[in-house]
Amino acid sequence: SQQGEEDPQALSIQEGENATMNCSYKTSINNLQWYRQNSGRGLVHLILIRSNEREKHSGRLRVTLDTSKKSSSLLITASRAADTASYFCATDGGNTPLVFGKGTRLSVIA
Amino acid sequence: DTAVSQTPKYLVTQMGNDKSIKCEQNLGHDTMYWYKQDSKKFLKIMFSYNNKELIINETVPNRFSPKSPDKAHLNLHINSLELGDSAVYFCASSQGSYHNEQFFGPGTRLTVL
Repeated sequence: SQQGEEDPQALSIQEGENATMNCSYKTSINNLQWYRQNSGRGLVHLILIRSNEREKHSGRLRVTLDTSKKSSSLLITASRAADTASYFCATDGGNTPLVFGKGTRLSVIA
Repeated sequence: DTAVSQTPKYLVTQMGNDKSIKCEQNLGHDTMYWYKQDSKKFLKIMFSYNNKELIINETVPNRFSPKSPDKAHLNLHINSLELGDSAVYFCASSQGSYHNEQFFGPGTRLTVL
């Protein structure tokens, strides 16, 4: 299975700190996507990074991809209470549908 | 201006009943999906339709039957509900294939008693 595995499962930080979440996967991918899910809501797409890209930024979000290590990281800088959510990586192997990991639960304490 | 909407938001029913969940998207996308999220937040794809045609059908009991009357709608009908069907069901859509960004609905929490 190429299922992504997020690490850590849960993360608790103070407002203003940076939060880093990691995702590891098992097989070759076309792209990797990160999604956020607020409690009781649907998933919201954050960033898509292609297999030939190494880093991507969007606002306070920075995603890196290391295909040699089959891993990706999501960094949220200067976190806010509103960033409290679960974060999922999803891998796309080309001929298979998106496979989601189990997520990292981020708590940002004001 | 909801992009992907689902009804109902909550569904509580008895074992053995038949129920349907409706999904509509107003984004003009040509691909729609149904996902199941279990109590541990694990999200797994069930079905995908592209231009009203079924393109993904993961290992799902045949009690689950999707139906796409047009590109903007993908409904999910579940027969003979079982306790294990309790979960949150999400509809999503994308332009083109699942390689692209997906837009999710708010979810339907199904509880089977």
